[in-house]
Order: sequence, then C-alpha cells, then structure tokens
Amino acid sequence: GESVGLHLPTLSVQEGDNSIINCAYSNSASDYFIWYKQESGKGPQFIIDIRSNMDKRQGQRVTVLLNKTVKHLSLQIAATQPGDSAVYFCAEKYGKLIFGQGTELSVKP
Amino acid sequence: GAVVSQHPSWVICKSGTSVKIECRSLDFQATTMFWYRQFPKQSLMLMATSNEGSKATYEQGVEKDKFLINHASLTLSTLTVTSAHPEDSSFYICSARAGSGGPYNEQFFGPGTRLTVL
Repeated sequence: GESVGLHLPTLSVQEGDNSIINCAYSNSASDYFIWYKQESGKGPQFIIDIRSNMDKRQGQRVTVLLNKTVKHLSLQIAATQPGDSAVYFCAEKYGKLIFGQGTELSVKP
Repeated sequence: GAVVSQHPSWVICKSGTSVKIECRSLDFQATTMFWYRQFPKQSLMLMATSNEGSKATYEQGVEKDKFLINHASLTLSTLTVTSAHPEDSSFYICSARAGSGGPYNEQFFGPGTRLTVL
C-alpha cells in the first residue's frame, strides 16, 4: 500500500483559537481531495472535500484551501473546540484514495 | 450519510489461527469495497480493492494468500487474515463506495476492527 509519511505531527491550540492543519500531497494529477477526522479507535469521518478546479471551499467552521502549484492542502478550523481534538488526515484521489500524513490536533481548554 | 459497519469491532487470537472480519454497507449497495490497515500513530494504508463478484486487486507488498478478500454480495465484503502472526496486529478499516467509481464518488468508512494476535 501507499502512504505519505510514517510519523504523526501534533498541533496544540487553545480552545477558541483557529487551527490550521497542512498537508502535502504527492500526485499532481490528483483531481479530488478530502479531509477526514479520526477519533481514537474509530474510522475516518468525512469533513470537507474540494475538487481540483477549485482553490477554496468553506463549510461550517471549516475551510479547505488547495494550492496545486506546490501540491499543498490546508484545513482551517475556526473557533476550535475540545470536541475537535482528533487526528486529521488529508486524502487525494487519483483512481484510488490515498491518505496523507495525519496531524494530531489537541485542544486545550 | 451512508452507513458501513464492521464486525467484530475487536478480536484477539492466537498466533497461527485465522480471523475473519466482515464489512457491510447497511443502506446502500457497494459496488466497490476497500480494505485499509492502520498501525498506531500512522496513516491508513490501502491493502486491496474489491468489486462485487470479482477477484480483489491487492496493493504492492500485500500478500493475497495471507489476506483473503471476498466480496460476494453488494452489501458484504470479508477480509480473512490467515495464519495470523503478532506483526499482523493492527486496526483494519473497510470502506464502501456506490456507483461507477467516478472521481467524486464518496467512499464511506466503517468503524474499524482492532486485531491483536498473541
């Protein structure tokens, strides 16, 4: 199988602050990108997606930015809450869905 | 959203035995199912892709004789870990997709199965 990265970086933020989680993807031909949230012992949960013909998409409290020039995705979470604590994965789709490096988000009350 | 279930949620077995994990799409027909493996603090790694009624396609480095996948119906896929060893201990997650598999067909993920091999 394929996976980008074998280590889990961490991000610690204060409750109420904004969080930015970054991801580098591998294939410039990927046409669809998804952010997932994974809580401990559970499967990935869909958060937001973006197609390759867009550079920004907003959801409820979340925004995804896509920079195809440098193959970079980011997930912005506004007013981060303790319930947002989890591991966040980006995934790119080029035929199959490939998960990128996860980031563990820890929210301090 | 669509619901995917897995059974069991966790299993402990002795080294050398085989373990079967079931993945079901509860409210939709899954033309394609995927099996992922996740080690602690790591990302999800795709093991194989299966289409209903066809043989599974395994990713490079995944032993097809060790990880047997059966996708006999549009709502059920099974993963059998044969002759399990402690290094097979991991979190196994299935995913299901309806439709033709176009670029924007969403995959729905199951809750995962924790396998511990003693």
